[in-house]
Amino acid sequence: QKEVEQNSGPLSVPEGAIASLNCTYSDRGSQSFFWYRQYSGKSPELIMSIYSNGDKEDGRFTAQLNKASQYVSLLIRDSQPSDSATYLCAVDSSASKIIFGSGTRLSIRP
Amino acid sequence: EAGVTQFPSHSVIEKGQTVTLRCDPISGHDNLYWYRRVMGKEIKFLLHFVKESKQDESGMPNNRFLAERTGGTYSTLKVQPAELEDSGVYFCASSQSRRELFFGEGSRLTVL
Repeated sequence: QKEVEQNSGPLSVPEGAIASLNCTYSDRGSQSFFWYRQYSGKSPELIMSIYSNGDKEDGRFTAQLNKASQYVSLLIRDSQPSDSATYLCAVDSSASKIIFGSGTRLSIRP
Repeated sequence: EAGVTQFPSHSVIEKGQTVTLRCDPISGHDNLYWYRRVMGKEIKFLLHFVKESKQDESGMPNNRFLAERTGGTYSTLKVQPAELEDSGVYFCASSQSRRELFFGEGSRLTVL
C-alpha cells in the first residue's frame, strides 16, 4: 500500500464548477497535511495546509481533513482555466518526513 | 528574497559517470530536503537535513548517492556511478518550520 494515494486523473471539470480532489494516507500518526499545485515543468507550490479535523477555507480553496478515515480532500470552487495543473497531496508522517502522493492532473475546460 | 536555487537545471551523462547536483536553500532555512520524481511516479523523499546534520536519509536508494550540506548552507547530492534508473527530476526544498516547503525548479538528470 502506498503511503499517500491519489487518483492520477486526469480530472476534467467545466469552468465555473467545483473541482474535488481526494487523498488517503496510511500513517495514522500523521499530523500535518498539505496540498501543493504543480504546473507543467515547474516546481510544486503550497496552496493549502490543514492540521485538525474539519474544513479550512482560503479564498476559492477548501481543504477537508478526516483523521479517522485517513482522508484529505481539496475543493476548488468557481474553477478557472488557470487552475489546470497537477495537485499533490503531502503528509508529514510520524517518521518526520513529508511524503507526497503521485498527484492528480486537473483540467478545467472552458 | 531569493528562492531555492538548483544547479544544473539539466544534466545528461553516460552510465557510470558522476554527477553532482547543488541546492542553495532560502537564507535562514534550517530544513533542507531532497526529493526525486521519476517519470509518471510520485515525488519520492530522499533525505532531510537540519542545518548540517542528516535528520533522515531513509529514502536514499543506495550507497551510490551521497548528500552533504556544508556548514548548514548549500547542499550537494552526488551520484557515483550513475545508472539508467537514476534518471529523473531531483527537487530540493527548504523550510523554516517544516510547515511549508519551498521548492527549487529541479535538476533534470538524464543517464544514457
